[in-house]
Amino acid sequence: SYDLTQPLSVSVALGQTARITCGGKNIGGKDVHWYQQKAGQAPVLVIHMDSNRPSNIPDRFSGSNSANTATLTISRAQAGDEADYYCQVWDSRTAVFGAGTKLTVL
Amino acid sequence: QVQLQQSGPGLVKPSETLSLICNVSGYSISSGYYWGWIRQPPGKGLEWIGHVYNSGTTYYSPSLKSRVTISVHTSKTQFSLNLSSVTAADTAVYYCARGSSSYYFDHWGRGNLVTVSS
Repeated sequence: SYDLTQPLSVSVALGQTARITCGGKNIGGKDVHWYQQKAGQAPVLVIHMDSNRPSNIPDRFSGSNSANTATLTISRAQAGDEADYYCQVWDSRTAVFGAGTKLTVL
Repeated sequence: QVQLQQSGPGLVKPSETLSLICNVSGYSISSGYYWGWIRQPPGKGLEWIGHVYNSGTTYYSPSLKSRVTISVHTSKTQFSLNLSSVTAADTAVYYCARGSSSYYFDHWGRGNLVTVSS
């Protein structure tokens, strides 16, 4: 099975830039999707196919994917961005999620 | 506006079958997309269970495949999850979601906590 590796936690100062990584073997050859999950809520898609934002997601959210690492970047971090973030790919006819990264905004 | 609303029991006994229904509004299942289930044990991450295409084609998680059935109802406004022989390890919040042809989930239900306990 395909493994995705995310840091357990990331901290960012208010107004600064947060980067959350998602590692996987040759992940650059796959489409990577990112979800935000706030406490007690369902996940929300924030980035699909590496770098595409749904229309309801602010442009502070961006994504990239190359080689063995995909990255979700959150610019000008706000208190409301505090959440768990999950990456996801499709591999061998299965959907695979990373274990999730808790983003803390200080 | 696509909306997904789940329904089903919040408590299931060990060894029995967990059954959930997802009601879809604002979009016809017949029109395409995949329709899936994802679960999240308390305090843990997301786990994909499987999904079904409107044609009836299904994909299941290898670890759950022997116990899972996902199907689209003939009404084409609902799809369902059946998970047999449940144990305490199946206790989780269960989400239904719409999946795109690029295999990301763009609309999610609010989730149902299902507890497996006698």
